Amino acid sequence: KAGVTQTPRYLIKTRGQQVTLSCSPISGHRSVSWYQQTPGQGLQFLFEYFSETQRNKGNFPGRFSGRQFSNSRSEMNVSTLELGDSALYLCASSLTGTGNTEAFFGQGTRLTVV
Amino acid sequence: DAKTTQPTSMDCAEGRAANLPCNHSTISGNEYVYWYRQIHSQGPQYIIHGLKNNETNEMASLIITEDRKSSTLILPHATLRDTAVYYCIVRVEDDMRFGAGTRLTVKP
Repeated sequence: KAGVTQTPRYLIKTRGQQVTLSCSPISGHRSVSWYQQTPGQGLQFLFEYFSETQRNKGNFPGRFSGRQFSNSRSEMNVSTLELGDSALYLCASSLTGTGNTEAFFGQGTRLTVV
Repeated sequence: DAKTTQPTSMDCAEGRAANLPCNHSTISGNEYVYWYRQIHSQGPQYIIHGLKNNETNEMASLIITEDRKSSTLILPHATLRDTAVYYCIVRVEDDMRFGAGTRLTVKP
C-alpha cells in the first residue's frame, strides 16, 4: 500500500512569488491535514480537510490556503511568499480524521524562499 | 498550544529499554494519546496510540495511567536507529498540536 506522497520534495522560490504544494493521501483516506515545521516554531498545524471541506484551521495568515479534491488529494497554496515561510511542509492523512484512526505523514516538501 | 509536556532530552544505552514519559494532565475524555517520532527532518513516523488501556505493537508499548494524566512510551530494546525526536500528542481530530518532543539519543 503506497504511503502519503508529497510533491515536490524540494522547492526554491523568490520572495513575493506564490507556491502550490501537493499531497496524495493513502488510498481510502479522506482526511488530509497540513503542518509547517521550522527550527524556531517546531511543528505547527495549518489546516485539515475532510471530504473536500476545511474542518479545522490553525493560526496562520490568509496567505496560506488549501483545498481538497474529490479523490482526497489536497493542495496547499502560499501567496506572496516571505523569507519566514521557508520551512518543511508536511501533510498527514487518516481514514476519518478522528482520534481512533492513525494519521500517517508524508516525507514533506522543503520550501526555501530567497 | 501543545497539551503535553515531555523532557527535552534523554539518553539510553543500546539494547536497554527506553522509557519516555509524557504528562497530559488536561486531557479530555475523548482524546487519544499518540506517539510519533521524527528522524533527521523526515516526516513523523506513527508509533502507537491509546485511549485508556495499555497498548503494545511491534514497535513499542504504551502505558497510560489510570487517571490518564500521564503516559510512558517504552521501546523494549533500543537500537541506534531509534535515535530521534519523540512526540507525545493528545488527539481527537487531525489538528494535532505538537510540542517540542523528547530528543532520545541511543548510545552504543
